[in-house]
Amino acid sequence: SQQGEEDPQALSIQEGENATMNCSYKTSINNLQWYRQNSGRGLVHLILIRSNEREKHSGRLRVTLDTSKKSSSLLITASRAADTASYFCATDCESSGDKLTFGTGTRLAVRP
Amino acid sequence: DGGITQSPKYLFRKEGQNVTLSCEQNLNHDAMYWYRQDPGQGLRLIYYSQIVNDFQKGDIAEGYSVSREKKESFPLTVTSAQKNPTAFYLCASSLTVNYGYTFGSGTRLTVV
Repeated sequence: SQQGEEDPQALSIQEGENATMNCSYKTSINNLQWYRQNSGRGLVHLILIRSNEREKHSGRLRVTLDTSKKSSSLLITASRAADTASYFCATDCESSGDKLTFGTGTRLAVRP
Repeated sequence: DGGITQSPKYLFRKEGQNVTLSCEQNLNHDAMYWYRQDPGQGLRLIYYSQIVNDFQKGDIAEGYSVSREKKESFPLTVTSAQKNPTAFYLCASSLTVNYGYTFGSGTRLTVV
């Protein structure tokens, strides 16, 4: 079963604009992670935020976590064409043991 | 360089045939995972292993088998019992789920 649901399913923006993707989940988590997948490739780990954290930054990435709403957002600032990819959230639930459950992903297209 | 290697990149299977997908890592990670990804979908967990000589079923284990005889290796066999095996298969490893996963580049399996 999939724990996370990303929104929107697809997003198209102009280079230089900001992109925001959202993830909602159902059960209590230990941490939430975001991954990027270029077409036909494996996933790349972007950032991890723990359940007791509210915001985290890494370069042009900003992740927020609201455990009361069971949701997270990923903001990519000043987007580039190279940011074109699918983005997935993944949760480590208290009940799931040492494994991640992935969402359905947001497909981001950045137009040059 | 440390990493995780999947082979082959493309694999074609005839009806009724078993095939084995290779996954090797030199990251000294204890945990390894196999996921299946269908077009436009998220990742679904097939099997995972947290230690040598031990593995657990994921959400969609039927028609698949694994072994974990060495820390570095976690091969996946797609058996003839798997009725719809055409998909993109991703292997991952991690120290623990708190550190995020490292993914291989995937194997695309097609039934012919």
